[in-house]
Amino acid sequence: AQTVTQSQPEMSVQEAETVTLSCTYDTSESDYYLFWYKQPPSRQMILVIRQEAYKQQNATENRFSVNFQKAAKSFSLKISDSQLGDAAMYFCAYRSLFTGGGNKLTFGTGTQLKVEL
Amino acid sequence: EAGVAQSPRYKIIEKRQSVAFWCNPISGHATLYWYQQILGQGPKLLIQFQNNGVVDDSQLPKDRFSAERLKGVDSTLKIQPAKLEDSAVYLCASSPGRAFPGELFFGEGSRLTVL
Repeated sequence: AQTVTQSQPEMSVQEAETVTLSCTYDTSESDYYLFWYKQPPSRQMILVIRQEAYKQQNATENRFSVNFQKAAKSFSLKISDSQLGDAAMYFCAYRSLFTGGGNKLTFGTGTQLKVEL
Repeated sequence: EAGVAQSPRYKIIEKRQSVAFWCNPISGHATLYWYQQILGQGPKLLIQFQNNGVVDDSQLPKDRFSAERLKGVDSTLKIQPAKLEDSAVYLCASSPGRAFPGELFFGEGSRLTVL
């Protein structure tokens, strides 16, 4: 079974600064997907960024980028130019390449990000 | 486009009572998921439906939890009898039949407190 570990329960960042959230995972599979999801207070969880394990290039979505280290099984999220709206719980998640249909995800425990003025 | 709707948003019950949560997915989405999010933990998949058939219910405590998705649209998750450890947020999510990996649309969740 796969496991996802987020060792930072809380992080803080100053507005306009850069912050990196850490995630490690354990799997015996060679191909899979990794994701970061954002869950604002009392709002729906949304997908922030996706990484395919077979791609060496790190994914980027505007101010969000990842540092994917497959050998180390590490998948960190970097948020540049942090904004107040980035304050949320961030979850790292894993999905096997073949799931027989659908998106069965294994989530980490989350990192609460606070953005300060 | 309307999002995933869930109700009730909040529910407080005594242990051994029963509770039901309702989910209306995005129109046309074939796949529906129920996740359990206990405080301090990440969401855990309880059950996944493809249309009105169950794809995965391996982590559903079947002695007390049940779920159905009649007509392949709305879904209901029931807990009977509830235990203290069932206190959690129950998230419903849906995705298109041919969704991109990770393409899940979540509702706001139903928060259950069991006293």
